[in-house]
This record gives sequence, structure tokens and C-alpha cells, in this order.
Amino acid sequence: EDKVVQSPLSLVVHEGDTVTLNCSYEVTNFRSLLWYKQEKKAPTFLFMLTSSGIEKKSGRLSSILDKKELSSILNITATQTGDSAIYLCAVMPRGNTPLVFGKGTRLSVIA
Amino acid sequence: EPEVTQTPSHQVTQMGQEVILRCVPISNHLYFYWYRQILGQKVEFLVSFYNNEISEKSEIFDDQFSVERPDGSNFTLKIRSTKLEDSAMYFCASSEMIGQDYGYTFGSGTRLTVV
Repeated sequence: EDKVVQSPLSLVVHEGDTVTLNCSYEVTNFRSLLWYKQEKKAPTFLFMLTSSGIEKKSGRLSSILDKKELSSILNITATQTGDSAIYLCAVMPRGNTPLVFGKGTRLSVIA
Repeated sequence: EPEVTQTPSHQVTQMGQEVILRCVPISNHLYFYWYRQILGQKVEFLVSFYNNEISEKSEIFDDQFSVERPDGSNFTLKIRSTKLEDSAMYFCASSEMIGQDYGYTFGSGTRLTVV
């Protein structure tokens, strides 16, 4: 059974801190790994990673995939209270198969 | 920016009643999905839909569930006889095609409460 495990499950940091969120996966056929940010309702897309070792960046957020270790990290630098959310990792197996989600990491950034 | 729209945002229903959750995917998208998230748990896949038919479904998607694209724009999820354990946030998602570099676009969800 395909599985995605995220750690930590929750994290509390102060504004300005840098955080690293982890995602590991076990899937039969791997195509891509996706990161989403979930605030109140819908998950909003952050990154899609398909190739190992290539960092994707968007502002203070960055992410990288390690296919050898079957894992990915999401980094957030200089955190702000607006970064408080649940960060979801999901894997897209090959073919037209659905996303497999992890349980998420709940990040709380306090002023 | 194009959005996936879901209605209603919140629905309360009595156990045993039928509910229909509605979604309007992004207009040029070809693949449609329903996921659900029970409070405090992970997002789970229910069903995917392509070319007017179900392409894949999970074990959760039993005979109580059905999906339709009645008019070429709406995409609906019907639960025939709701159970307490169907209470969850239901997300619709769509994608243009597999492999696009932006993943899926999710709607804002319908919170279903079965009492």
C-alpha cells in the first residue's frame, strides 16, 4: 500500500525562525511529489517535484526531492505568522492515479 | 486566476438522507476528482473522472456514492443514504492533464455534517 509520512506532526516556532518539514514516501511507482499549504479550507499548491536534487523556490519557501532516500523537505526561512497552516505532502504515482497524502505538519508561527 | 468552485460551503443533513455536493471545475481541465478529509485526519481519495466516466475509485467510494457530470460544467458527488461517518470536508479538484507542473487545483470544500 502506498504511504506518505510527514514529520513532525506539529511545530511551534517564533517569527523569523527557519523551519524544515519532512516528507518520506513508499509508493510502487513514483511520478511526482507535491507540497500544499492548507489554511482554513482548500489545499493550495506550493510545489511539484519530479527530479531529484533540483531545488524549487518561491519566495521564502523552497523544496527539494531526494529519490534515493524517498524523501523531500520543505524549508521556510524568516517565518511569519501568515505561514501558520497545515503543510501537506502528497505523492502522485505514475499514470492517472490519485494523490496519496500524508497527515500533514501543523505549523504555528508566534509573534 | 481560475478557480474550482464548490457549493454549498456547509451542509447539515440527517442520517439516511441523500446529499448532492456540487463542483464547477476549471473550464479547460479534463480530469476531475473528489477527495475527503475527516476532521483531524488526512486527505483521502474518493474517485477520479475522465471522459465522462469514472477512471479510478477508492474503497471508500462504495455503492452509496455516485458522480456525474450532468451538463458539461458541473461535477457532482451524490451520497444516497448518509451515515454519521460520512461527516467530513469534501474537496473537488481538477487538473488539465496528468504531469502538468502545477498539480491539481482544489476547491474550497463542502463541510458535510451528518446528524
